[in-house]
Amino acid sequence: DTAVSQTPKYLVTQMGNDKSIKCEQNLGHDTMYWYKQDSKKFLKIMFSYNNKELIINETVPNRFSPKSPDKAHLNLHINSLELGDSAVYFCASSQGTGKEPQHFGDGTRLSIL
Amino acid sequence: AQSVTQLDSHVSVSEGTPVLLRCNYSSSYSPSLFWYVQHPNKGLQLLLKYTSAATLVKGINGFEAEFKKSETSFHLTKPSAHMSDAAEYFCVVSGNNFNKFYFGSGTKLNVKP
Repeated sequence: DTAVSQTPKYLVTQMGNDKSIKCEQNLGHDTMYWYKQDSKKFLKIMFSYNNKELIINETVPNRFSPKSPDKAHLNLHINSLELGDSAVYFCASSQGTGKEPQHFGDGTRLSIL
Repeated sequence: AQSVTQLDSHVSVSEGTPVLLRCNYSSSYSPSLFWYVQHPNKGLQLLLKYTSAATLVKGINGFEAEFKKSETSFHLTKPSAHMSDAAEYFCVVSGNNFNKFYFGSGTKLNVKP
């Protein structure tokens, strides 16, 4: 049983398009995250939600909008995609605030043409 | 401000020989420190963590790390490398804002037969 699952695994699209990435965790965790990993493998936090409430919002362009319909799901919508958005996006979860991300999804590889 | 520096971007060892992956941190207070492993096309997996208890921390798969405050280091070691250890390893420090964690740039471990 996959603990943190992301869809799609691969996303290839044109500049200017709008796309969404979905994330679901079946661990009963109450905190979820989105991380961006660039081509040099550097990982940076984008957003974090605790019980559907936004608790971390890093300096991310407004084109990125997270949504948490319930504590098991955290989706990421991206408007007007740009070349620089090409990266691997990871969803993660943990139990409790102030805890390290404990489980990661396998990532969504986004390529902008 | 918190940061981590992974001193080697690539480390190559022979199977059966010891592994040493180096990490130095910078923090204005007593941090929590973590090591994660990332296998190709996979999400990150938590190997071990230090949270101000014992300075020698044991993790999964035979890895351990020692917190040395005087040297601001948290190096990861394993007595005997296995082929399955070949992966990217990330050192992480907690931020003073809860739920913020700062990742190092990663060390790619290659294990030769």
